[in-house]
Amino acid sequence: GQQVMQIPQYQHVQEGEDFTTYCNSSTTLSNIQWYKQRPGGHPVFLIQLVKSGEVKKQKRLTFQFGEAKKNSSLHITATQTTDVGTYFCAGRGDYKLSFGAGTTVTVRA
Amino acid sequence: SAVISQKPSRDICQRGTSLTIQCQVDSQVTMMFWYRQQPGQSLTLIATANQGSEATYESGFVIDKFPISRPNLTFSTLTVSNMSPEDSSIYLCSVGDRALTEAFFGQGTRLTVV
Repeated sequence: GQQVMQIPQYQHVQEGEDFTTYCNSSTTLSNIQWYKQRPGGHPVFLIQLVKSGEVKKQKRLTFQFGEAKKNSSLHITATQTTDVGTYFCAGRGDYKLSFGAGTTVTVRA
Repeated sequence: SAVISQKPSRDICQRGTSLTIQCQVDSQVTMMFWYRQQPGQSLTLIATANQGSEATYESGFVIDKFPISRPNLTFSTLTVSNMSPEDSSIYLCSVGDRALTEAFFGQGTRLTVV
């Protein structure tokens, strides 16, 4: 199955700063999805990227899919305390998801 | 969208016993999946629950340890058998369908084996 690597594992951010989490796959992905899991919660879908080079924005979140469809990134600007949680990328094939390790974000007020 | 009810939400079990987790969806879905998430870790797919046939297990997971039922398109169960402390984890039900872009997850079952 697809294997997706994700870095960094932890991100400690000062409130108001920006950060980026990265996903990489050794194989070409048909699409990639991003999920957020709040502490004690379950993963919640954020977005799906399908096209090579695709960029999508959700308020302060910017998602990119690489030209070769082997990597993706999530960039958050002006981090807020509500951004706390773990962000997972996931390659989707036949409805099954292969999750990356996740980036756990903590925010210093 | 799909709303998933998963229960129990948590349990503490004695080693050697078994626990059955239930997952109920508010609509018919093609695919139902069971994941395990160990503390601070990512989600690992245990198996795909197939309606009317045996589940499809991922590498490292076997039917004797994790029997799964899926009697219809809205319901599935996962049993964790002969539990040991290493089975302590969060177990998550998820659904997918051609009509759905995203995967929906149940609230999870937090299992502690003592």
